Amino acid sequence: DGGITQSPKYLFRKEGQNVTLSCEQNLNHDAMYWYRQDPGQGLRLIYYSQIVNDFQKGDIAEGYSVSREKKESFPLTVTSAQKNPTAFYLCASSKRGSTGELFFGEGSRLTVL
Amino acid sequence: EDKVVQSPLSLVVHEGDTVTLNCSYEVTNFRSLLWYKQEKKAPTFLFMLTSSGIEKKSGRLSSILDKKELSSILNITATQTGDSAIYLCAVEVGGGSEKLVFGKGTKLTVNP
Repeated sequence: DGGITQSPKYLFRKEGQNVTLSCEQNLNHDAMYWYRQDPGQGLRLIYYSQIVNDFQKGDIAEGYSVSREKKESFPLTVTSAQKNPTAFYLCASSKRGSTGELFFGEGSRLTVL
Repeated sequence: EDKVVQSPLSLVVHEGDTVTLNCSYEVTNFRSLLWYKQEKKAPTFLFMLTSSGIEKKSGRLSSILDKKELSSILNITATQTGDSAIYLCAVEVGGGSEKLVFGKGTKLTVNP
């Protein structure tokens, strides 16, 4: 079955540590996205990539980094510079030219202790 | 700054009720408006609206866009407990930075 796989589902981190969240898709989609969701908030865009080896900052990119070396993969690193990293992180993908219809992974919940 | 506002933020109804969820937007380069349902973790796509006044329907759910009023509504008739979820409205913006801007969502609780 085609879909998006995020891992890990739950992650605990100590302050000052970097952590990388994995996102893999086998839908053959060109575009991939990372969103952050806090309680009572909508989804806020962190980074997005419309093609391999290219990505753009979203609305809340500070303290995060990404790479897009393969079409299928779009890992997100939450660095120690992110002041409030505890959140639910969602990865999504879409077909080229169809930005609106996103397919989401099941999310990763990061808790900083 | 592009903005999407949903109302109400929270709603509790009884099974069988009809509900209307609202979404308004202010964006610089509108392409489409979308509705998603988030039950537990992954949001799932419901509707994409691009033209004003044309209703999209799927079972008990329907939605319509009003470009003059910069708004959309999502109707759910004969609600069931399985409709309990967060309903997210998003606007696709173009102009070189194709992306979605999301509202905060409406949390719908349907009680038996």
